[in-house]
Amino acid sequence: AQSVTQLDSQVPVFEEAPVELRCNYSSSVSVYLFWYVQYPNQGLQLLLKYLSGSTLVKGINGFEAEFNKSQTSFHLRKPSVHISDTAEYFCAVSRYNQGGKLIFGQGTELSVKP
Amino acid sequence: KAGVTQTPRYLIKTRGQQVTLSCSPISGHRSVSWYQQTPGQGLQFLFEYFSETQRNKGNFPGRFSGRQFSNSRSEMNVSTLELGDSALYLCASSRGESVDEQYFGPGTRLTVT
Repeated sequence: AQSVTQLDSQVPVFEEAPVELRCNYSSSVSVYLFWYVQYPNQGLQLLLKYLSGSTLVKGINGFEAEFNKSQTSFHLRKPSVHISDTAEYFCAVSRYNQGGKLIFGQGTELSVKP
Repeated sequence: KAGVTQTPRYLIKTRGQQVTLSCSPISGHRSVSWYQQTPGQGLQFLFEYFSETQRNKGNFPGRFSGRQFSNSRSEMNVSTLELGDSALYLCASSRGESVDEQYFGPGTRLTVT
């Protein structure tokens, strides 16, 4: 079975500062990795995904993540955050042939302060 | 292209009743997945339907069921509602390939009193 651990439940940061949201996963088989963002009272929006290939993945809104197989991590980074990045961020995994089944971490609440 | 739509957006039910939630996927998408989101348990996978068949299932009791129609629209039913069923229910659609991006709807907020 797969599991996902997001190491920080809340991350406060000042505007224009860099941020890293940490995600570790556990699986006995190869997985595919995703980061989603959820704004208040909305559904989830995909930020980026790792399926194969380059371990550095670039997504929307200036976010990027690096897949590290040896450390089973998929941390999300942004070099300079904006107030509008305030939201909850979810790391998720799925397996081959189970693309419709995402296993999510508990979420990290990013709070960007002016 | 229209996104995933869910109806109703908000619902209040009484313990013991049953409820049906609806999800219309993006045009051309054949897979619909359902998730329950609560503050305590987070986001949990309920089930996935593909071409009118349940393809994957999470660890929820049999009170939670679903179905998919030939136009890929899906419904989720919860019978004998419990207070703990209060949650945001999210539906996501995808093309249904082995690895695919899921597009989420805005969710249905269910409150059980």
